[in-house]
Amino acid sequence: DIQMTQSPSSLSASVGDRVTITCRASQGINTYLLWFQQKPGKAPKPLIYAASRLQSGVPSRFSGSGSGTEFTLTISSLQPEDFATYFCHQHKSYPPTFGGGTKVDIK
Amino acid sequence: EVQLVESGGGLVQPGGSLRLSCAASGFIFSNYNMNWVRQTPGKGLEWVAHISSSGTSIYYADSVKGRFTISRDNAENSLHLQMNSLRHDDTGLYYCTRDSSAVPRDYWGQGTLVTVSS
Repeated sequence: DIQMTQSPSSLSASVGDRVTITCRASQGINTYLLWFQQKPGKAPKPLIYAASRLQSGVPSRFSGSGSGTEFTLTISSLQPEDFATYFCHQHKSYPPTFGGGTKVDIK
Repeated sequence: EVQLVESGGGLVQPGGSLRLSCAASGFIFSNYNMNWVRQTPGKGLEWVAHISSSGTSIYYADSVKGRFTISRDNAENSLHLQMNSLRHDDTGLYYCTRDSSAVPRDYWGQGTLVTVSS
């Protein structure tokens, strides 16, 4: 199975901060990577697909980059509604696997 | 509007069975591959099973293979997960998810809670 390792597992940030979350795959997955946002009591919501493509309706302050084994999710200017947990997810091969999550909370 | 509504969760003893269902609406169900994904205290988000749009291609996570069965009824726009021989570590929130051609898991239901406990 492909292991997905996210870092950090949590971070504290202020509104307006630039935030970067990293995801590393245990083997190459090209760009078969998604990023999800999950708020408490809600289902995950896709933000980025194909490593860098913005899902419809997602604000442009979110961006993704990377290919192969190293990926990043960047929030250019953190907004109050962005405090949530973020997960990466590979779908290059079965079984599809998720990262452990990064919880972004208020400093 | 795409909607996925899960049902069938509950409290069950170890070794017991449950059948989860997902009612789909707002899209042509028979055109989409579907999955079950669970979120557990121990393992976080874990993909459980996949079924193709026609039902002919099915995959399972090793942790549930031989115990869980995914199925669908395209006439009824419904997805199911028959769960047998349930274990404590199957406890979690089970989500029904849709795969679009570009975005796997593009829509999720609200989840149904399964608790395996004596």
